[in-house]
Amino acid sequence: AQRVTQPEKLLSVFKGAPVELKCNYSYSGSPELFWYVQYSRQRLQLLLRHISRESIKGFTADLNKGETSFHLKKPFAQEEDSAMYYCALMKTGANNLFFGTGTRLTVIP
Amino acid sequence: ETGVTQTPRHLVMGMTNKKSLKCEQHLGHNAMYWYKQSAKKPLELMFVYSLEERVENNSVPSRFSPECPNSSHLFLHLHTLQPEDSALYLCASSQAGEGNTEAFFGQGTRLTVV
Repeated sequence: AQRVTQPEKLLSVFKGAPVELKCNYSYSGSPELFWYVQYSRQRLQLLLRHISRESIKGFTADLNKGETSFHLKKPFAQEEDSAMYYCALMKTGANNLFFGTGTRLTVIP
Repeated sequence: ETGVTQTPRHLVMGMTNKKSLKCEQHLGHNAMYWYKQSAKKPLELMFVYSLEERVENNSVPSRFSPECPNSSHLFLHLHTLQPEDSALYLCASSQAGEGNTEAFFGQGTRLTVV
């Protein structure tokens, strides 16, 4: 069965410092992986997906199949990055998203 | 209104009540989902509808009954719930198919069972 693990419930970094939110997954096939973000009082929304290989708001995430990881990184954190971040996995050919427990990122001014 | 809209935003119900949650999407999507978000737990996928057919029922108790009358509307009918069913219920939609698998979420319904 598929599983998404985000080991850190809370993460605090200073403004301008690098940030890395960890995500590991287990799935026997080739999944699609995503990062979703929820800012205060806003709805959950897509941040980025691994197939796009793009940088959104300075964030990047590389799929490492050997380590089954999809860590989210940003070299210089900003205060507006403070939010709840969820890693999610979609099984090949399916329409269902499975989420991790989320990491609350706080960027300290 | 655009996007995914859920009503009501808050609901308090007794264990013997019957109520329904409503979700409406104005994005032209063909797949809709119900998720449950409890404290300290991951977002739990409950049901998936694709082209108005239920394609996944993730071992959800029968006291939760989904209904998808058309591709724009999704309901979750509730009856004889338990206090542990108190949670935030999120609806989402997406356009199922290759290359576009982004899910759009509603604001959620905060359910309290007393």
